[in-house]
Amino acid sequence: GAVVSQHPSWVICKSGTSVKIECRSLDFQATTMFWYRQFPKQSLMLMATSNEGSKATYEQGVEKDKFLINHASLTLSTLTVTSAHPEDSSFYICSARDRVGDGYTFGSGTRLTVV
Amino acid sequence: AQSVTQLDSQVPVFEEAPVELRCNYSSSVSVYLFWYVQYPNQGLQLLLKYLSGSTLVKGINGFEAEFNKSQTSFHLRKPSVHISDTAEYFCAVIYNQGGKLIFGQGTELSVKP
Repeated sequence: GAVVSQHPSWVICKSGTSVKIECRSLDFQATTMFWYRQFPKQSLMLMATSNEGSKATYEQGVEKDKFLINHASLTLSTLTVTSAHPEDSSFYICSARDRVGDGYTFGSGTRLTVV
Repeated sequence: AQSVTQLDSQVPVFEEAPVELRCNYSSSVSVYLFWYVQYPNQGLQLLLKYLSGSTLVKGINGFEAEFNKSQTSFHLRKPSVHISDTAEYFCAVIYNQGGKLIFGQGTELSVKP
């Protein structure tokens, strides 16, 4: 089946630094990838939709300058948290869709802790 | 507004007992329905999905769900749970072909010996 690889699985960074999270579709081409944020004991909140070769579409309330998304190829999307602060600490999950209606394959998530 | 409601935030159950996790969606037109499971500090794993056809869908790990259009529900069931089924379960819906995946609030299933 479809596999999505997400790295790193966890990262600790200092306040003010930037962190990049990678999401790769290993055995299929993903024209669309999605980035979610999940707070403890809560559901997934869609942050943005990433389309290969074009600008990402951000959900209302998500700062596009803080959460930079790049989808340069059909198998890779990256999320960069810029100038991270402790309130950015969260669990970030990506997902990819290759065909409409077949559901979404999720990465294993990245636990970001900003100290 | 298009939404998904999981009626129970927590469901405690004893091992080998049956369980039902409830999910209702807000519209009956053209929906695709999914159930995902999430173990601590991990991503989401697809349990099962309904796209069309038979309203009874069988998934992995002995789970099944039934699409009920008249009640706009897609409840998840398992006849006999194991300790290893302890996890967070999310119901999700796509309302239009190509639309976004909308998640419910999640149900924490806790299986006790």
